[in-house]
Amino acid sequence: AQKVTQAQTEISVVEKEDVTLDCVYETRDTTYYLFWYKQPPSGELVFLIRRNSFDEQNEISGRYSWNFQKSTSSFNFTITASQVVDSAVYFCALSEADSGTYKYIFGTGTRLKVLA
Amino acid sequence: NAGVTQTPKFQVLKTGQSMTLQCAQDMNHEYMSWYRQDPGMGLRLIHYSVGAGITDQGEVPNGYNVSRSTTEDFPLRLLSAAPSQTSVYFCASSSLRDRGYTEAFFGQGTRLTVV
Repeated sequence: AQKVTQAQTEISVVEKEDVTLDCVYETRDTTYYLFWYKQPPSGELVFLIRRNSFDEQNEISGRYSWNFQKSTSSFNFTITASQVVDSAVYFCALSEADSGTYKYIFGTGTRLKVLA
Repeated sequence: NAGVTQTPKFQVLKTGQSMTLQCAQDMNHEYMSWYRQDPGMGLRLIHYSVGAGITDQGEVPNGYNVSRSTTEDFPLRLLSAAPSQTSVYFCASSSLRDRGYTEAFFGQGTRLTVV
């Protein structure tokens, strides 16, 4: 069954520290897509990245980087040199493609607090 | 470009009342969905649709009804509101690409309180 687990409920770091948010997923499909979203205190949901199951290359975008490992079913998100503006709830999501259902399932989220 | 428009932003209902949350997108997206967000529970899928005339249940469908008569609109109906349905509701849409869905575009959310 399709499932996304974000075991870290809340993380607090001091500004400029690096922080990694964990995401572990379950799926029987061979084709699937993984996503990360950010929800700042204002409440809107902001897309960060989309990755398909055939592309295990790590990705870097500024201070953000993502590590996708199919062997451990993980898609972890690292923020380097964190800033107060990074304080938000971060969601990992999974969308399966083989089964034809195309459901978009989210994890429970990780609340990141970056302290000045 | 309006994206996903969700109304209302806030709503207070009495137990037993019914209401419809509206969701419209102008991006010609195939996939539309409704989520509810509760503290510590993340975003849970209520219902979704992969095209006009096609809907299916998500993780928490009980007490909710949907229909998709057009590509643009995907209303969510609460049949008989209960306090357990107090939540923040998000509508989202996505497009198919490479056999999978693109990133989801979200509405602004509806904060619903059932008293």
